[in-house]
Amino acid sequence: AQKVTQAQTEISVVEKEDVTLDCVYETRDTTYYLFWYKQPPSGELVFLIRRNSFDEQNEISGRYSWNFQKSTSSFNFTITASQVVDSAVYFCALSEDITSGTYKYIFGTGTRLKVLA
Amino acid sequence: NAGVTQTPKFQVLKTGQSMTLQCAQDMNHEYMSWYRQDPGMGLRLIHYSVGAGITDQGEVPNGYNVSRSTTEDFPLRLLSAAPSQTSVYFCASSPWFRNTGELFFGEGSRLTVL
Repeated sequence: AQKVTQAQTEISVVEKEDVTLDCVYETRDTTYYLFWYKQPPSGELVFLIRRNSFDEQNEISGRYSWNFQKSTSSFNFTITASQVVDSAVYFCALSEDITSGTYKYIFGTGTRLKVLA
Repeated sequence: NAGVTQTPKFQVLKTGQSMTLQCAQDMNHEYMSWYRQDPGMGLRLIHYSVGAGITDQGEVPNGYNVSRSTTEDFPLRLLSAAPSQTSVYFCASSPWFRNTGELFFGEGSRLTVL
């Protein structure tokens, strides 16, 4: 069955520190998709990145980077030089391909990041 | 751009009352879903739909009904509200029924059941 584990419930860092949010997933499928979403204090859910299981290249977008490792079933998210505006809850999510027949997106429990000025 | 619209944004119910949370999207998305968000539990899937006339259960379907008569609308019905259904509810849609694209979320509906 699908499962997404975000073991870090809450992380606090001081502004300008780097921080990595961990995501470990379980799936039986060979084709699947991984996502990260951000939920700022205002409550909306904002899409950050999508990665398919055949693309293990790391991705960098400004201060954000993602490290996908199939060997460890992990899809970790790093914020470099964190800022107060990065304070939010971050969710990792998994969806399996049509072969699973389930069409479900499964989310982790989220990691609350607090960036202190 | 409307995107995914949820109504109402806030609602207080008494135990046993019924209500419908409305969700509409104007992006012609095939896939729509409902999640509930509770502290420490993350987002849990209630029901989802891969197209008009097709719905299926998620992780926590008990106490909720859905229907999908049109591509645009995916209402969530609580037939007899219970305090355990106090939560924030999110509707989300995606362009492809194969759930390979990112989800577009509504702003959420905060429901309190007394």
